[in-house]
Amino acid sequence: QSVLTQPPSVSGAPGQRVTISCTGSSSNIGAGNVVDWYQQFPGTAPKLLIYGNTNRPSGVPDRFSGSKSGTSASLAISGLQSEDEADYFCQSYDISLSCSVFGGGTKLTVL
Amino acid sequence: QVQLVQSGAEVKKPGASVHISCKASGYTFTGHYMHWVRQAPGQGLEWMGIINPTAGSTSYAQKFQGRVTMTRDTSTSTVYMELRSLTSEDTALYYCARDLPPDCTNGVCFPKYYFDHWGQGTLVTVSS
Repeated sequence: QSVLTQPPSVSGAPGQRVTISCTGSSSNIGAGNVVDWYQQFPGTAPKLLIYGNTNRPSGVPDRFSGSKSGTSASLAISGLQSEDEADYFCQSYDISLSCSVFGGGTKLTVL
Repeated sequence: QVQLVQSGAEVKKPGASVHISCKASGYTFTGHYMHWVRQAPGQGLEWMGIINPTAGSTSYAQKFQGRVTMTRDTSTSTVYMELRSLTSEDTALYYCARDLPPDCTNGVCFPKYYFDHWGQGTLVTVSS
């Protein structure tokens, strides 16, 4: 059972916009800790997609955006492309557990 | 370019220990904290702990306290993770992951917990 809750799967057609939610609690996201997002393709290591709630590392397309409100965060992907099909994980810091925590991951399918 | 190269796959029997290395290159080794994250087959990501490459200080997830040790060798820019008393539930891909540069004030630094570069992963299989 992951500390952060994500939907197991989302899907969308090419060109559409999809969002992936990440729900936490008052001891992690709600405590003001930032949320990061990672993209992972099968058989490869995760890649940092969004850090500090809304920031994109160099090289990440601006089709990817992050937001945070209260005890939840969201990753939005606009102009969906087939190469976006991957697993997406959210991550934050939990002050009660004194450790970094992840969501269970969301599998994005591009129809 | 930044590279984190991990040691090869391991097969261990229950009760044994595993020792994984992660050799860093392409950046100042002591300028970034390093984390260990694992992923069981078909499962999500699980943070295990963090090491300060400068001081060698560590912090571990409660779940692994007493069973994990993270160390570093600054002369070879390598971090190590040892996990003891293995069970089948420890079968997973183990990753080292570099943090962004820490926030430092008056000589006191705090890691950011943003994993910007990852090793290729080391598969540990625990089976009798």
